[in-house]
Amino acid sequence: DAGITQSPRHKVTETGTPVTLRCHQTENHRYMYWYRQDPGHGLRLIHYSYGVKDTDKGEVSDGYSVSRSKTEDFLLTLESATSSQTSVYFCAISDTQGSYEQYFGPGTRLTVT
Amino acid sequence: GDSVTQMEGPVTLSEEAFLTINCTYTATGYPSLFWYVQYPGEGLQLLLKATKADDKGSNKGFEATYRKETTSFHLEKGSVQVSDSAVYFCALSPAGGSYIPTFGRGTSLIVHP
Repeated sequence: DAGITQSPRHKVTETGTPVTLRCHQTENHRYMYWYRQDPGHGLRLIHYSYGVKDTDKGEVSDGYSVSRSKTEDFLLTLESATSSQTSVYFCAISDTQGSYEQYFGPGTRLTVT
Repeated sequence: GDSVTQMEGPVTLSEEAFLTINCTYTATGYPSLFWYVQYPGEGLQLLLKATKADDKGSNKGFEATYRKETTSFHLEKGSVQVSDSAVYFCALSPAGGSYIPTFGRGTSLIVHP
């Protein structure tokens, strides 16, 4: 199994508070991604990174920011959490060799009350 | 843009029944094609893949063949088990070096004893 961890695994927070989710990999893969998964919407890409300090927006980036200061860590920040950001968040990684399949972390369940 | 369409679920089967989950795609060139599986409470994991036309991916009794002429990658298994109950995602990785995959919305499979 690819070495990907996410922290925290569960979090409950109040509307308006900042939240940071962490993704850590031990595979030295260049690409890292943040997705959210919601019933009826499947997986939606929030942001992705193609290298240290290189990031770009996905299809649902409003209200989210990311940072990648080291190859192994990719942080997702909700500056001011809203109830619409209640979701399960998945981190994924991908190498630039081969067929570019993705490896996913175990997910973080975030509830915004 | 690229798109992946898979049959809506849930698909409900009895143990030992034959499984087909349809997946069609729209993309330019020859993308790589994937099936991922998500068990309850877990992240997605790669089930099988195919990287060129007429390739057959297989794993754990599941198979899918890359059909360029019909732009399809249907997932099949000859005899499902209760433990196969999960959500299955079809996905593509574009040709030409883009590392942003496109996922289908997922198909839930429920297998009854």
